[in-house]
Amino acid sequence: DTAVSQTPKYLVTQMGNDKSIKCEQNLGHDTMYWYKQDSKKFLKIMFSYNNKELIINETVPNRFSPKSPDKAHLNLHINSLELGDSAVYFCASSQGHREVSQYFGPGTRLLVL
Amino acid sequence: SQQGEEDPQALSIQEGENATMNCSYKTSINNLQWYRQNSGRGLVHLILIRSNEREKHSGRLRVTLDTSKKSSSLLITASRAADTASYFCALTHSGNTPLVFGKGTRLSVIA
Repeated sequence: DTAVSQTPKYLVTQMGNDKSIKCEQNLGHDTMYWYKQDSKKFLKIMFSYNNKELIINETVPNRFSPKSPDKAHLNLHINSLELGDSAVYFCASSQGHREVSQYFGPGTRLLVL
Repeated sequence: SQQGEEDPQALSIQEGENATMNCSYKTSINNLQWYRQNSGRGLVHLILIRSNEREKHSGRLRVTLDTSKKSSSLLITASRAADTASYFCALTHSGNTPLVFGKGTRLSVIA
C-alpha cells in the first residue's frame, strides 16, 4: 500500500564508489522528483521528471544522473561518491508539475565514509 | 527562486495549547504549501493555499496568507504529542518553477 517507496533505506559506502537509489510510486502520478536534505534539514530539489522527461535540473554535479524508465519509477545513480554527498535523499511524486502538492517517500540515508 | 523563512526555528508547548508558526518570503508567489516531517520520515503535505486565498482550514490546522506582508501562518489548535515534528513552508513563485522549501520550525509538544 506504500504510495512512494525508496530502496535502500540506508546506504553506507566508501568514497569513490558508484551507487544507485530506486524510487517507485503507485499513485498513478506523472511527475517525480529527487530532493536532497542536508544535516541542517535544508531540503533542496535536484531533479524533476514529467512523463519520463526531465523538466527540472537544478545545479547538481554531473556525477548525479537520474533515470526514469517509466512514469512510475525514477532512479538516481551517483558516480564517484564524495563525503559531501552524505545526506538524506527523498523521492516525491505529484499529478502534474504546476502548483500541486507532492507525496514524499520515506527517504534514503546515504553515508559516505 | 527564494525560500521562505520559518519563524520560530523551534517551539516547545504543552499538550492542549495552540501552536503558531510563521513563514515570510521576499518575492511574489503563486501558492504556498505547508508540510510536516516526523523524525526520520518523509514529508507529508498539509495544506496548499493560493495567492488569491486568505485562509484555509483542515481539521485542527488553519493557514492564513497575507500577500501584502508576504507572510503565512500555520496554526495548530489543541496540540497533541503526535504533532511533534518539523513543519516546512514551501513556495511556488511561478507556474513552472520548482517548489522551494524553507528550513522548517521544529515543534515539540510535551504531554
